[in-house]
Amino acid sequence: DVKVTQSSRYLVKRTGEKVFLECVQDMDHENMFWYRQDPGLGLRLIYFSYDVKMKEKGDIPEGYSVSREKKERFSLILESASTNQTSMYLCASSLFDLAGGPGEQFFGPGTRLTVL
Amino acid sequence: SQELEQSPQSLIVQEGKNLTINCTSSKTLYGLYWYKQKYGEGLIFLMMLQKGGEEKSHEKITAKLDEKKQQSSLHITASQPSHAGIYLCGADMEYGNKLVFGAGTILRVKS
Repeated sequence: DVKVTQSSRYLVKRTGEKVFLECVQDMDHENMFWYRQDPGLGLRLIYFSYDVKMKEKGDIPEGYSVSREKKERFSLILESASTNQTSMYLCASSLFDLAGGPGEQFFGPGTRLTVL
Repeated sequence: SQELEQSPQSLIVQEGKNLTINCTSSKTLYGLYWYKQKYGEGLIFLMMLQKGGEEKSHEKITAKLDEKKQQSSLHITASQPSHAGIYLCGADMEYGNKLVFGAGTILRVKS
């Protein structure tokens, strides 16, 4: 079974703090994704990576950065957390698709981040 | 995403009743993924559809993609409390590696 794990289920931080969210997958997937989920807005893509050290901006990258130093690990960084970044953060991974499509994405359990 | 409209936003059904959730786009859907999410948890993959007119079933859940590949429906027969959760559709709209997600449908099943 594919397993995607996230470092924390719940996190409470203060405004201005630097926040690291870690995601690890154990199925040798090339693609990894970070989403945030807010009521009524569904999942919105923050960043994704299709290879080690490669990253691409998603739909809402402002205020976030990412790091992928190893294939299995994809980190989301909030350089200076703000209250509007309070949200559920979901990590996902998928195999590289020769047809160029996104493929089936496997999701982690999520991290509920509260910024006070 | 406004590119992918899900309806209804929420649904309360009596146990044993059937229900349908819709996912609609103005653009062609090159792949349509249905996921289920229990409150506060990650998404669980249900089914993927790619061909126009395709239909797939798993236990009491059936998903269909219309011939024009712009609308998908998820139908649950004889709903049970275990079906409760948030259902999300995600679409491959040929943006490369990205999936575009609908806002989700919250389903509650009353015993």
